[in-house]
Amino acid sequence: GAGVSQSPSNKVTEKGKDVELRCDPISGHTALYWYRQRLGQGLEFLIYFQGNSAPDKSGLPSDRFSAERTGESVSTLTIQRTQQEDSAVYLCASSLDSTGLDGYTFGSGTRLTVV
Amino acid sequence: ILNVEQSPQSLHVQEGDSTNFTCSFPSSNFYALHWYRWETAKSPEALFVMTLNGDEKKKGRISATLNTKEGYSYLYIKGSQPEDSATYLCAHRGNTGKLIFGQGTTLQVKP
Repeated sequence: GAGVSQSPSNKVTEKGKDVELRCDPISGHTALYWYRQRLGQGLEFLIYFQGNSAPDKSGLPSDRFSAERTGESVSTLTIQRTQQEDSAVYLCASSLDSTGLDGYTFGSGTRLTVV
Repeated sequence: ILNVEQSPQSLHVQEGDSTNFTCSFPSSNFYALHWYRWETAKSPEALFVMTLNGDEKKKGRISATLNTKEGYSYLYIKGSQPEDSATYLCAHRGNTGKLIFGQGTTLQVKP
């Protein structure tokens, strides 16, 4: 596609429910990254994919968080048993390869609110 | 320095003023330094990716320099315009592959 697409753009969920966030990277981009921004804080690294493998998942906050990627295409970030501290904007980005030397292209984000 | 640090946190300037921001990053394990502009209600947009010590890059009125030995980068905006109002993020990539962002400098340009 022309850009990085994320869905949904907004999600309100009840505490304890599971949510799934989706990211469609730019076609041909082999590297894909997930970040989040909680209120008043900076961009926090979660995980990155090169192809469908995840060389670095060190930023996932707990075992409630998981992510997968199908080939060099769509990625889903799943949060189980959501907590209020999971409320944040979740941003996905992609780059041509894992060097990132072409710069990252970000999606518009998913704003997750846990009530 | 273990983290990516940016200063100032925020900046208010008049239209036409020139300004600059600082990004400090770990000087060891360096691979690349990125700058992004993040306007309200939009996605972060890549400005520069820099890899070489002494590198200077320019895009219109915006330029950046890089010192990998001492671990800092400067972003300069010449003749600020209201449309330059945004948060400017720098990010450091080491050999692990992940890009670590600073907290950003928020620039407000008054007409």
